[in-house]
Amino acid sequence: SQTIHQWPATLVQPVGSPLSLECTVEGTSNPNLYWYRQAAGRGLQLLFYSVGIGQISSEVPQNLSASRPQDRQFILSSKKLLLSDSGFYLCAWSGREAFFGQGTRLTVV
Amino acid sequence: AQKVTQAQTEISVVEKEDVTLDCVYETRDTTYYLFWYKQPPSGELVFLIRRNSFDEQNEISGRYSWNFQKSTSSFNFTITASQVVDSAVYFCASSGTSYGKLTFGQGTILTVHP
Repeated sequence: SQTIHQWPATLVQPVGSPLSLECTVEGTSNPNLYWYRQAAGRGLQLLFYSVGIGQISSEVPQNLSASRPQDRQFILSSKKLLLSDSGFYLCAWSGREAFFGQGTRLTVV
Repeated sequence: AQKVTQAQTEISVVEKEDVTLDCVYETRDTTYYLFWYKQPPSGELVFLIRRNSFDEQNEISGRYSWNFQKSTSSFNFTITASQVVDSAVYFCASSGTSYGKLTFGQGTILTVHP
């Protein structure tokens, strides 16, 4: 069966520091992968998606970037975090529906 | 572009009451999909149901039921005989043919009191 792993679960980072969140999927090949963000008290917003290695599509302009160095690995990065980057980040892969990871709660201080 | 509206921000009920969560969607796609997800306090999103735009049959799964009406662009979710474990945030979402590119509503916080 397919599983999705996302880490770390929680992260507190100072403004201006770099960020790297990692997501890996097991049990499937060439999955479509997604990064979503949930701001406090709001719905989820799609940030990036990828249909293959090295292929990244950005849905909203922002301080973040994504990369897919391997088939089942999806990384969310930032060179310098802003306060507004705080939120709950969820990685997902899709088959006939989207399956989400456990999420990373990022607090930028 | 798609849009999903969940007008109910918070709902509070007492255990064993029935509760309906409303969802209204907007899309120009002829083929689209509608979803409900549950987000418990742990934060992960739990898939509940997917419906496609060509299937308006209502669906029942245990205490959960869904009513899809294209005429009113609605996809409502009913929990019968609610339980404390149903307390969570519930999201309605839509997509085109790419299932993972979801447009979410703002979510409804459901609190079931014992």
